[in-house]
Parts: sequence; C-alpha cells; structure tokens
Amino acid sequence: EAQVTQNPRYLITVTGKKLTVTCSQNMNHEYMSWYRQDPGLGLRQIYYSMNVEVTDKGDVPEGYKVSRKEKRNFPLILESPSPNQTSLYFCASSYQDRVGGYTFGSGTRLTVV
Amino acid sequence: GESVGLHLPTLSVQEGDNSIINCAYSNSASDYFIWYKQESGKGPQFIIDIRSNMDKRQGQRVTVLLNKTVKHLSLQIAATQPGDSAVYFCAEQPGGYNKLIFGAGTRLAVHP
Repeated sequence: EAQVTQNPRYLITVTGKKLTVTCSQNMNHEYMSWYRQDPGLGLRQIYYSMNVEVTDKGDVPEGYKVSRKEKRNFPLILESPSPNQTSLYFCASSYQDRVGGYTFGSGTRLTVV
Repeated sequence: GESVGLHLPTLSVQEGDNSIINCAYSNSASDYFIWYKQESGKGPQFIIDIRSNMDKRQGQRVTVLLNKTVKHLSLQIAATQPGDSAVYFCAEQPGGYNKLIFGAGTRLAVHP
C-alpha cells in the first residue's frame, strides 16, 4: 500500500531531551515536507526537501532539524525540545511539484513537559 | 479524536444535499490549489487540485471552482454523505515556492 509512515504516533517527553520523529514513504517521491498543526494556527510548514541532500526551511523552522540522506526517509529532529513545540506533526510527500498534491502521514502527537 | 482547530466555521447539511465550502486565499502569486479533507485522528487527505490556468475542475462527486479575480476557491460536494463529515482545508502554493499555505478549515457536519 502506498503510504507515508510516521513514528511514533504519540510521544510525551521532557524539555531538553533530544528526539527524532521518523518519516518514510514507499512511493519513490522526490518532495517531502514536515508540517505542524496547532489549534487556531492551522498547518504550517517546518522544513521541506526537493531531493536527497536538498532541504530548506519552511515558515517555522526554529528548533527543528531535518536530513534527507535517502529518498524514502525524512526524519524530523528536535535537539532540545521545549513546551512550545507541543503540537501535532505531519510528514507529507509528493511525486512531482504541483501534481496530485501531497500525501500526508497519520501524524505524530508530541507533548513536551 | 484530536482537535484540529478551535471555533472552526461549521457547515451543516442534510444527507443527500449538495455542499459548498468556500475559501479565500491570500497570495495573488499562488498558481496551484488543493482541497484536503481531514477526519478526526487522521492526516489531511487529498481531494482535488486545480492550477491557476483553469477555473473549474471536476472529480468524483466533487467540483473545485477558482476565481482568481477575487482570490476565491470553492469546493462543491454533490449528494453529501455521512462519510463526508470532516474538516476541509484549502491550500495554495505560491509560484516559485515549494510549500503549501493552508486555510483555517471548515467543519462539514452531515445530518441524516
């Protein structure tokens, strides 16, 4: 089944403890993005990648890192999580720019205490 | 389920009626638009897209209309079903950028 897989689905962590949210797609898509979704603020892009080793900042990149060493994987790294990073995170991928939209994962609910 | 928004506008329709969900987009340089459906506890699901060189596109039971003059997008759902109940988002992609800008969303409630 063609899909974007994120792990974990739920995560509670403490301030300052480094964590990684994994994202993998099995559709050979070139484009991948991370978004966060917050009540009243909607979905906002954190980082995106157009291909292996090509990444760029989105609208809210502060406090996040990404890497794209392989085409299928696009992990989101929080080096020192803070409570304001408590959010619902989505990874998304697309085969081609401006064609068919993005396919989203099921989301990762992160709580930083 | 997980809340996707506070105080979202809600459209209530009867099962079998047609639904029209509206969206005002922000950037006159946007050249690609998408409608997504998000059910509780799930990620956004692609419904239909349209490029700026078109003003109408039809899918299965759905039609998207684009009015660039007033920066308005609408999603029409024919014969709305209970399974259509969800939050609907429009998204725009500005020319030259590789990001989607999402609208605030509209909750569609379908009543039997």
